[in-house]
Amino acid sequence: AQSVAQPEDQVNVAEGNPLTVKCTYSVSGNPYLFWYVQYPNRGLQFLLKYITGDNLVKGSYGFEAEFNKSQTSFHLKKPSALVSDSALYFCAVRDMTGGFKTIFGAGTRLFVKA
Amino acid sequence: GAVVSQHPSRVICKSGTSVKIECRSLDFQATTMFWYRQFPKQSLMLMATSNEGSKATYEQGVEKDKFLINHASLTLSTLTVTSAHPEDSSFYICSARGPGGSRVDTQYFGPGTRLTVL
Repeated sequence: AQSVAQPEDQVNVAEGNPLTVKCTYSVSGNPYLFWYVQYPNRGLQFLLKYITGDNLVKGSYGFEAEFNKSQTSFHLKKPSALVSDSALYFCAVRDMTGGFKTIFGAGTRLFVKA
Repeated sequence: GAVVSQHPSRVICKSGTSVKIECRSLDFQATTMFWYRQFPKQSLMLMATSNEGSKATYEQGVEKDKFLINHASLTLSTLTVTSAHPEDSSFYICSARGPGGSRVDTQYFGPGTRLTVL
């Protein structure tokens, strides 16, 4: 069965430090992987997507994610965090080998302190 | 950037009634629209994908007769929750994706609609 895990409910980081938001997944075939962000009082925003090709995917607002097939992970990263990055982040996986199910993680709240 | 609106932003209805939620792409033509449901624990569920002029594709486990989706034009998709019950209370979010090209994977999300069924 498909699943997505975001093992951390909350991540705290100081402004200027690198940040990582973790995501691991389980699917039967080759997945499509996504990261979304939800800012307070604003709608969801698409950050980035992995389909195939280079394992390092670059997205919006300086974020990037690394697809690691052996570890079934797709961690979101940013070299230098900003206070404005504080938000709720969702990882999602779509199994393209059967059905149309897209599974979202429970979300990780990122707090960046000045 | 591209703007997606939803109407209404909040709705309260009695159990057994039907509620329609509109999703509009204001400054671009959306060939594909998506409907999501966000649960109180903040996890998101993709409910269905709709392409203009064709029937929606529902995710496994989503009741097609319960959640009616219509994508009649390139700028409007509607979600109708039929015979709503308290367990349908949730936050519904739509998303629109523009026509082909290098930006095909970019989705623009609406602000969401909070449905409360009494």
